[in-house]
Amino acid sequence: KAGVTQTPRYLIKTRGQQVTLSCSPISGHRSVSWYQQTPGQGLQFLFEYFSETQRNKGNFPGRFSGRQFSNSRSEMNVSTLELGDSALYLCASSPGGLNEKLFFGSGTQLSVL
Amino acid sequence: GENVEQHPSTLSVQEGDSAVIKCTYSDSASNYFPWYKQELGKRPQLIIDIRSNVGEKKDQRIAVTLNKTAKHFSLHITETQPEDSAVYFCAARDDKIIFGKGTRLHILP
Repeated sequence: KAGVTQTPRYLIKTRGQQVTLSCSPISGHRSVSWYQQTPGQGLQFLFEYFSETQRNKGNFPGRFSGRQFSNSRSEMNVSTLELGDSALYLCASSPGGLNEKLFFGSGTQLSVL
Repeated sequence: GENVEQHPSTLSVQEGDSAVIKCTYSDSASNYFPWYKQELGKRPQLIIDIRSNVGEKKDQRIAVTLNKTAKHFSLHITETQPEDSAVYFCAARDDKIIFGKGTRLHILP
């Protein structure tokens, strides 16, 4: 069974631009969640989707948004990029329940110049 | 909202000794406490988890304890080996999952 796939692996953008990241979950998994990882801040929860609906949201500004498609694939969008948005963005999938093991992707490394 | 504090941020232990990482959480409604290990350049992977109706869980050299009254939980690694070197993240979940900031564990030869 293929693991969680994230594309692209690396992105370089400039301030003010917008970016879209993609995540394909493990086949059969219906929940996808997104995290921002920066040195010293650990893993910060962005949002979680289940069956195309946002189930939970972290404490990030409205510039961060996401969606989930009927095939459970998910995208995350960041508009009006700031230097502080430079980070590794990880997505994770799980079968669908709340308290289940998360399977992480390798992440998208975003650099904002 | 939920807040998870993790200590220490860095831990060095001699190979063969034990390592303990501690976390506290603020939301008494949290009912699921997983631990993830992230090796350098790799994705986080679940190593053990515990639910609020259990006080302790063990899996070979790894154990987790939970004190609901004090709202803290700990990861114990015994007989540490070089491959245990990694960053470890604790987390607490009620409706959403909140991670601690991580502990970088170094196993010294």
